[in-house]
Amino acid sequence: DAGVIQSPRHEVTEMGQEVTLRCKPISGHDYLFWYRQTMMRGLELLIYFNNNVPIDDSGMPEDRFSAKMPNASFSTLKIQPSEPRDSAVYFCASSSLGQGATDTEAFFGQGTRLTVV
Amino acid sequence: GNSVTQMEGPVTLSEEAFLTINCTYTATGYPSLFWYVQYPGEGLQLLLKATKADDKGSNKGFEATYRKETTSFHLEKGSVQVSDSAVYFCALRSSNTGKLIFGQGTTLQVKP
Repeated sequence: DAGVIQSPRHEVTEMGQEVTLRCKPISGHDYLFWYRQTMMRGLELLIYFNNNVPIDDSGMPEDRFSAKMPNASFSTLKIQPSEPRDSAVYFCASSSLGQGATDTEAFFGQGTRLTVV
Repeated sequence: GNSVTQMEGPVTLSEEAFLTINCTYTATGYPSLFWYVQYPGEGLQLLLKATKADDKGSNKGFEATYRKETTSFHLEKGSVQVSDSAVYFCALRSSNTGKLIFGQGTTLQVKP
């Protein structure tokens, strides 16, 4: 497997524009996580899915942020409208949760570096 | 809710020095605990894990023991190298919900 694939790797956009970040999880994994990393706030969990269903979106900062997982092999994180304070690195990660909690680690993508000017 | 607290960085050491990065957690139930490492410009990679109390995770000379009585999972290495310079994250995963949360990260810089 190629691992978790995120696109684009870099995105520069103007304030007010819509931004869509994409993630392809590892095949067979049933959990998908979206994180945001900044110097000030560290690594924040935004939302996570189990079997394509959003389980906890309490980390989503505002209504401008939305995430979907239409099938087991694809997820999107959308920001509309974008603002300069959304500039960060956004990571997607996937995992399974095996029997007896022995298979619990998450695998991360390379991240998308978003710059809103 | 669950939470993870790491010692603040940056941590600066000379090569071959002993490393400890403290991590404590609060959680209900029986979480799994992890250390991840992030090199510049890259995503996070699993360094080691422990899934139950008293388990010791180890990898590449790093080790950490899951201590339920002190709710800790401190990372240690006996002799660091320049190539260990990176950001280290302690993480906790709930066995009930599957939610995975991270500490704030600790930057390690090793000087030759």
